[in-house]
Amino acid sequence: KNQVEQSPQSLIILEGKNCTLQCNYTVSPFSNLRWYKQDTGRGPVSLTIMTFSENTKSNGRYTATLDADTKQSSLHITASQLSDSASYICVVSAGGGYQKVTFGIGTKLQVIP
Amino acid sequence: EAQVTQNPRYLITVTGKKLTVTCSQNMNHEYMSWYRQDPGLGLRQIYYSMNVEVTDKGDVPEGYKVSRKEKRNFPLILESPSPNQTSLYFCASSLSPGLVSYEQYFGPGTRLTVT
Repeated sequence: KNQVEQSPQSLIILEGKNCTLQCNYTVSPFSNLRWYKQDTGRGPVSLTIMTFSENTKSNGRYTATLDADTKQSSLHITASQLSDSASYICVVSAGGGYQKVTFGIGTKLQVIP
Repeated sequence: EAQVTQNPRYLITVTGKKLTVTCSQNMNHEYMSWYRQDPGLGLRQIYYSMNVEVTDKGDVPEGYKVSRKEKRNFPLILESPSPNQTSLYFCASSLSPGLVSYEQYFGPGTRLTVT
């Protein structure tokens, strides 16, 4: 069964600090991995997309890494801002298409002043 | 502006009263999908559509119907809603799923409560 596990479930950090969120997956065959940011009550917004051959992808202060051998990914947030407070969801697609997507439960990040 | 719209945004209804949640996208995307999001469970796919008149079940299709008569619209139909369908629903669209690195756009969500 395809699974995506994220850790930690929740995290509180001080504004300006860095943090790293983790994603482990057992999806097979692997197609791509995405990180989404979801503000409370709103739709997810894509941050990064990585395929098998990519091991790092950046989007501003967000940097995602992928280790396809160990089936692990991380999302690093640099110099956090209050607006980074949200849930971060790891999503892994199987096969060559979009039909089979598995979502992680997400990590709820709170950035405090 | 490229977007996915859903209506209504909030809905409170009673058990058994048929309802439809509309979804529309203005990006000429072939692929559309419906998800529900529940606390502690993450997003789960209900139905998806690869193109007009082509739909298929996701992971949790029971109690739902969809149709894709036009490329831009993908309504979600609950013929006889039950309390366990109380959830936050998202519609999403993207270009052809044959492209590996494509963007998926989500709508703003519909919060449904069935009493």
